[in-house]
Amino acid sequence: DAGVTQSPTHLIKTRGQQVTLRCSPKSGHDTVSWYQQALGQGPQFIFQYYEEEERQRGNFPDRFSGHQFPNYSSELNVNALLLGDSALYLCASIPPGGGYGYTFGSGTRLTVV
Amino acid sequence: AQKVTQAQTEISVVEKEDVTLDCVYETRDTTYYLFWYKQPPSGELVFLIRRNSFDEQNEISGRYSWNFQKSTSSFNFTITASQVVDSAVYFCALSEALGGGGSEKLVFGKGTKLTVNP
Repeated sequence: DAGVTQSPTHLIKTRGQQVTLRCSPKSGHDTVSWYQQALGQGPQFIFQYYEEEERQRGNFPDRFSGHQFPNYSSELNVNALLLGDSALYLCASIPPGGGYGYTFGSGTRLTVV
Repeated sequence: AQKVTQAQTEISVVEKEDVTLDCVYETRDTTYYLFWYKQPPSGELVFLIRRNSFDEQNEISGRYSWNFQKSTSSFNFTITASQVVDSAVYFCALSEALGGGGSEKLVFGKGTKLTVNP
């Protein structure tokens, strides 16, 4: 049973560009949350998707947007990249009903130059 | 607002020593969940434990044990007889519990980097 898959694993972008990160949740999980982890910091909640809609959002600007597809996979889009967007982006998938179910992927390391 | 404080930024111990990682939290919710995660160099967050706010029993799982004290808003994690493989960053996290719980956002501390030397 595959866990959470994120792609790509590493990415280098130039300031001002746009980026799309992808997440395939664990089989049977229907909710996806995205977190940003800056170097030396704890992960910070960006948003959560359930039934193809954004259900919760953290304190992130509108440059951060997302999408969830009918197969529960999700994308995180960041527009007008800033140097400060450089971070590890983690996806967590959650089964119906939540509970103990947060399963994290290994993340996408984004570097903005 | 919810907040998690892990005052220890880095800890270094020698193998077989016991080590305690501290976690202090703040929340106005009466029902909430506390978590510990391990993050090895690969980056993936590995779930270790979840505790709900109504269960103050300490828990032991092998070499790991957790001490939850609501009176001091602390949820400390102890590794007994540490091993080199325990080297990682450990995060304490908090979530509010609504309607079945577990699917709400996690608020993380800044983490404690544990290095276990041979």
